[in-house]
Amino acid sequence: EVQLVESGGGLVQPGGSLRLSCAASGFSFSSSWMAWVRQTPTKGLEWVANINYDGSKNYYVDSVKGRFTISRDNTKNSLYLQMNSLRAEDAAVYYCAKDLMGHFDYWGQGTLVTVSA
Amino acid sequence: EIVLTQSPDTLSLSPGERATLSCRASQSVTNSHLAWYQHKPGQAPRLLIYGASSRATGIPDRFTGSGSGTDFTLIISRLESEDFAVYYCQQDGGSFKTFGQGTKVEIK
Repeated sequence: EVQLVESGGGLVQPGGSLRLSCAASGFSFSSSWMAWVRQTPTKGLEWVANINYDGSKNYYVDSVKGRFTISRDNTKNSLYLQMNSLRAEDAAVYYCAKDLMGHFDYWGQGTLVTVSA
Repeated sequence: EIVLTQSPDTLSLSPGERATLSCRASQSVTNSHLAWYQHKPGQAPRLLIYGASSRATGIPDRFTGSGSGTDFTLIISRLESEDFAVYYCQQDGGSFKTFGQGTKVEIK
C-alpha cells in the first residue's frame, strides 16, 4: 500500500523558515518523480514544486522561486521542502504527492503551515 | 502559463442526478495531459481521471472524462452520496503544472 506521510508544518512568523518532510513507502521511491502541492481556501490547489528521480532536476511555481527548495533522500525514502522567507500567502495545507507523468496519483494527508505574527 | 477555468463554481444536485463539469484551458493542453481530482475536506485529494479520459485505479465507471485541446469535461453519470465534493482539473505543461479553481458539487 502506498503511503505518504507529511510532517513539519506549524506556526511561523513572516520572514521565517520551515522544513517539511514526507516519508514514502509502498512503492519504488527512487524511481518516482515527487511533488509538493498546497491548498488554500482562496486559491484551491496549487502545484508548488516537483523533483525528478535522483534530485538532479527540479521545478517551481514562480511565486516560490528563490525561497523554497525541494530535495529528496532516496536512502531514506524521503522528500523535503525547505521554505524560507515565508509570507502570509504561503499559509496553506501542504501535500506531498507522487508525480506520475505529470499527474499526481498518490497524495499524503497534508501538513498545515500557518504564517502569522 | 496555461490557465484553467472551471465551470460552474458550484453545482447543486440531488443524488441520482447527472453532473457535468467543465474545464477550459487558455491554450491547448499538450497531448491531453489533463487530469481530474476529487477533494473532500480533511482528506487527501484523489486522482479520478488522467490523460483526459483514462480512469485511475479503482475509480467507478460512473466517472467519465472527455475532451481535447482546450475543452475538457468530467461527467458523473449518477451522483452517489460520496460524490459530493470539490473537483479540480489539472494540466501538465512540462515544467509547469496548473490547477483549475475547482467546482463544488453540493447536495441540493
